[in-house]
This record gives sequence, structure tokens and C-alpha cells, in this order.
Amino acid sequence: SQQGEEDPQALSIQEGENATMNCSYKTSINNLQWYRQNSGRGLVHLILIRSNEREKHSGRLRVTLDTSKKSSSLLITASRAADTASYFCATDAAYSGAGSYQLTFGKGTKLSVIP
Amino acid sequence: NAGVTQTPKFQVLKTGQSMTLQCAQDMNHNSMYWYRQDPGMGLRLIYYSASEGTTDKGEVPNGYNVSRLNKREFSLRLESAAPSQTSVYFCASSRYYEQYFGPGTRLTVT
Repeated sequence: SQQGEEDPQALSIQEGENATMNCSYKTSINNLQWYRQNSGRGLVHLILIRSNEREKHSGRLRVTLDTSKKSSSLLITASRAADTASYFCATDAAYSGAGSYQLTFGKGTKLSVIP
Repeated sequence: NAGVTQTPKFQVLKTGQSMTLQCAQDMNHNSMYWYRQDPGMGLRLIYYSASEGTTDKGEVPNGYNVSRLNKREFSLRLESAAPSQTSVYFCASSRYYEQYFGPGTRLTVT
């Protein structure tokens, strides 16, 4: 079952604008991650935020986490055409063993950045 | 480093045929995963292997089997393909939280 749910399902913006995507989840987590998927490719890890963190930055990415509301947001500032992709949030569903965790992915937000 | 590689990239099967999807990673990761991605459904975990010699079922294991051949390789087998198994299949590996994905195999079952 999907733990994370992204909102909106699709987003279209002009180059240079900011893009905000939201993720809601159902159960408590250790951390939350965001991944990007370009069309026809595998997912690429963007950023991880731990449950005791409220905000994290990486380049043009800003992620927030509100554990009381069980929600996270991903902000991409000054968007570029190359940011066109689908974005997924992922939460740690269960411990796999050997130090790794199973992840549960949302259905994704499809971002289109128009040049 | 190649990261995570998958073969084949594309495959068309007839209902009832069998095939094995291959996955290999060169990052010395302990854990490996198989997902399927269907339109509008996100990624769903089929099977995973926390470490060499262990495998466990994920969310949608029916119709699939896996083998963790060694630390590098994790294969997914469809014994008798069905049209419902038409999907894009991704292999991933991890050491801790972050997962690294292969480029995917697009499988069509007619």
C-alpha cells in the first residue's frame, strides 16, 4: 500500500518560477526522502530529511517536514527546463536488515517546466 | 563505476512464457530490491534481499521468484508470464537509507 501521497499529481510552471510539491504519509517515520525520475529512466535520490529535522536545503532544493501533520514539501527554486521530471517522496516502511530499510513510494508529482 | 545495471532493457513475452530479469551492482551494497512501476501507481516492492543469502517478499510478490546469486547480483524470474505483469521493472540497491536505481526493464506480456 502507498504510504506517501504527493500533491498535486501534475504541475506546469514557467522557467524561473518556483515549484512546490507536497507529500502526506500515514504512519510514523524515521526519515523521508525525495527522488526524481526523468522520463524513461530510473529514480535518482535528491535529499533525505530525518524525523527530528524540520527543514533541509540542498542547492535549489528546500525540503520541510512536519511530523505532527505527517507531511513534507519539496520546493525547487528558480526552476529550469531540465527540472522537468516526476518527483516522488519515499518513507521508510520497515527495517530490511543489514542496516537497510524498505521504502514506500508515493505516486509522484509530474513537473513540467516550460522554457 | 556502472552503479546498478539491468538487462534486458526491453522484452516482449507471450502469456505463459518465462524469463529472468538480471540486475547487478558494483557499489558493494548489502541490500537489493525489485520494484514494478505501473502508470499512476508509483513504485511497488516485489521482493528484496537484505543481504547475500536472504530474500523476502514485498508488497506484490505473487507470480515472481528471486535469486540473490551473490552480493552483486539479484535476479527476478517470471515463471509463467501474464498480461497483468506488463510493467516497467526497476532494480535498486542500498547500504542504508538511500537507494540507487537501475535504468529499468520495460516488459510487455501479450
